[in-house]
Amino acid sequence: QVQLQESGPGLVKPSQTLSLTCTVSGGSISSGSYYWSWIRQPAGKGLEWIGRIYTSGSTNYTPSLKSRVTISADTSKNQFSLKLSSVTAADTAVYYCARGSWLQESFDSWGQGTLVTVSS
Amino acid sequence: SSELTQDPAVSVALGQTVRITCQGDSLRSFYATWYQQKPGQAPVLVMFGKNNRPSGVPDRFSGSSSGNTASLTITGAQAEDEAEYYCNSRDSSGHHVVFGGGTKLTVL
Repeated sequence: QVQLQESGPGLVKPSQTLSLTCTVSGGSISSGSYYWSWIRQPAGKGLEWIGRIYTSGSTNYTPSLKSRVTISADTSKNQFSLKLSSVTAADTAVYYCARGSWLQESFDSWGQGTLVTVSS
Repeated sequence: SSELTQDPAVSVALGQTVRITCQGDSLRSFYATWYQQKPGQAPVLVMFGKNNRPSGVPDRFSGSSSGNTASLTITGAQAEDEAEYYCNSRDSSGHHVVFGGGTKLTVL
């Protein structure tokens, strides 16, 4: 059973860069059957897909955040990461990492989520 | 605004049937996937593809699709089904993932 765990600072100052890491256990991020995504959820609001990284290393981001987002992977550590630059209070949210299945076209495993607050 | 539209809230009497819908142009070409989220928890996959339930999801959950509308039906709703339900699929370009705004299901 694959497990995902987000980690990173819970507080980021405005204009700075938010950085989170997702550590995957019980499965390899190099498996060609899956891709790896970040998804966020502001308090009391819905889910917003941020982007994904494929096993090839190529990435795909939601258009509204594309200019500020970078997702990368470290296969040696079985981790993938999110960087979101120039953050504002609007980026305050619970951030989830998730595994996407090509076959099922679904997110079949999720991390527990980590709250990131943007505030000075 | 999301490219997938869901009713914000739906209620159902205990033991009755409820249908939660998701509308969007991309659903004419791609299946919707459904997630259940309870307060303070991560979303959980409950339906994918044409009508496929992951292991562990009760068979009272079923999925269907017609035109630009996908539906998640709960036949014989239980108290533990009270949650927020999200659909997701691709956007109109087919290259990105989008989520619906979510439907809060109340079991009366």
